[in-house]
Amino acid sequence: RKEVEQDPGPFNVPEGATVAFNCTYSNSASQSFFWYRQDCRKEPKLLMSVYSSGNEDGRFTAQLNRASQYISLLIRDSKLSDSATYLCVVNPSGGYNKLIFGAGTRLAVHP
Amino acid sequence: GAGVSQSPSNKVTEKGKDVELRCDPISGHTALYWYRQSLGQGLEFLIYFQGNSAPDKSGLPSDRFSAERTGGSVSTLTIQRTQQEDSAVYLCASSDSGKPQHFGDGTRLSIL
Repeated sequence: RKEVEQDPGPFNVPEGATVAFNCTYSNSASQSFFWYRQDCRKEPKLLMSVYSSGNEDGRFTAQLNRASQYISLLIRDSKLSDSATYLCVVNPSGGYNKLIFGAGTRLAVHP
Repeated sequence: GAGVSQSPSNKVTEKGKDVELRCDPISGHTALYWYRQSLGQGLEFLIYFQGNSAPDKSGLPSDRFSAERTGGSVSTLTIQRTQQEDSAVYLCASSDSGKPQHFGDGTRLSIL
């Protein structure tokens, strides 16, 4: 089993739609969780950290379920510019040190 | 300010040759990481340097891979006797202690 698993997609949604991505991780002792965004042929960039109580940043909401070892990302009112691959990232030991990346979920937002 | 800089941006070489990939981290960042990303795959951790501590080499796939970081700044990833399965994008990231990682643009390595 992979350490971090994601549905590869693609998710094809119209502008304005709400879309949710899920991610599961295998190491129950994992301490830190993140969502990164990667545009085609570009480097990954931190989108947001994921906190135990859930957190929101504008149109983006991240949630963590430790019991089920499950992380989610919700994007509301999708924009064309949201089209990218979203990487679920886990740090088994906390902080930003050795990150385990999922293979990513591809999102395509169309007019 | 300047971000993480990697060179070359693209490298094409023949199977069996050695290659060196360079990473110039953000000035002052104590931590430096190497990852590789194969087509359609997630990022695979290779090696991590933190200050003067011994590096975490647990992700290096074979003894053909090595990396060093001179003077706590620039890092070089060396792949000896390259194989076709080494073809990938090699990404370097740096961070300040406990802060998010910043990635370079990567080196796209193609082994013929």
